[in-house]
Amino acid sequence: AQTVTQSQPEMSVQEAETVTLSCTYDTSESDYYLFWYKQPPSRQMILVIRQEAYKQQNATENRFSVNFQKAAKSFSLKISDSQLGDAAMYFCAYRGLLTSGSRLTFGEGTQLTVNP
Amino acid sequence: NAGVTQTPKFRILKIGQSMTLQCTQDMNHNYMYWYRQDPGMGLKLIYYSVGAGITDKGEVPNGYNVSRSTTEDFPLRLELAAPSQTSVYFCASSTPRDRGNTIYFGEGSWLTVV
Repeated sequence: AQTVTQSQPEMSVQEAETVTLSCTYDTSESDYYLFWYKQPPSRQMILVIRQEAYKQQNATENRFSVNFQKAAKSFSLKISDSQLGDAAMYFCAYRGLLTSGSRLTFGEGTQLTVNP
Repeated sequence: NAGVTQTPKFRILKIGQSMTLQCTQDMNHNYMYWYRQDPGMGLKLIYYSVGAGITDKGEVPNGYNVSRSTTEDFPLRLELAAPSQTSVYFCASSTPRDRGNTIYFGEGSWLTVV
């Protein structure tokens, strides 16, 4: 079974600075996707960024970028120029395309605080 | 575009009561899922379905039942509610044709069992 581990239950960053959230995963599959989701207090699940395992190039979306290390099974999220609106719970998630139903497996989350 | 719609959004149940959380999607997605999220925790898969008439257990199926009689609907049944089932429940859907793409989530249903 696939597992996703987020080792940082809480992180904090000063506004305008950079923060990196860590994620590791375990799988025997070769064909999969990795995701970062943002969850504000409303509990809405907001997709931040996705990475396809067969692509070596790290995904970027504006201020959000990932460091994908396939051999190490590591998938960290970097938030640059942090803003107050970035404060939320962040979940790393794995989706194996050969897994029945291609279901998502989530980590336990990292609560990010942004200080003004 | 309605996407994934869950009802009710909030519900308080007494111990031992039963209820059904409704989920419907209008995107003709084959895959549908039910997750629960306990306070301060990640989402855990309860049940999922790969098409009408086909359902399977996830990580935490005990105390729940599902059915999938149509492509659009995937209701989750709670029998004999217990305080441990106090959680936020998310329904989600996706399509295998959209390789690796987004799983669409509903807004969540907040359930408290007292």
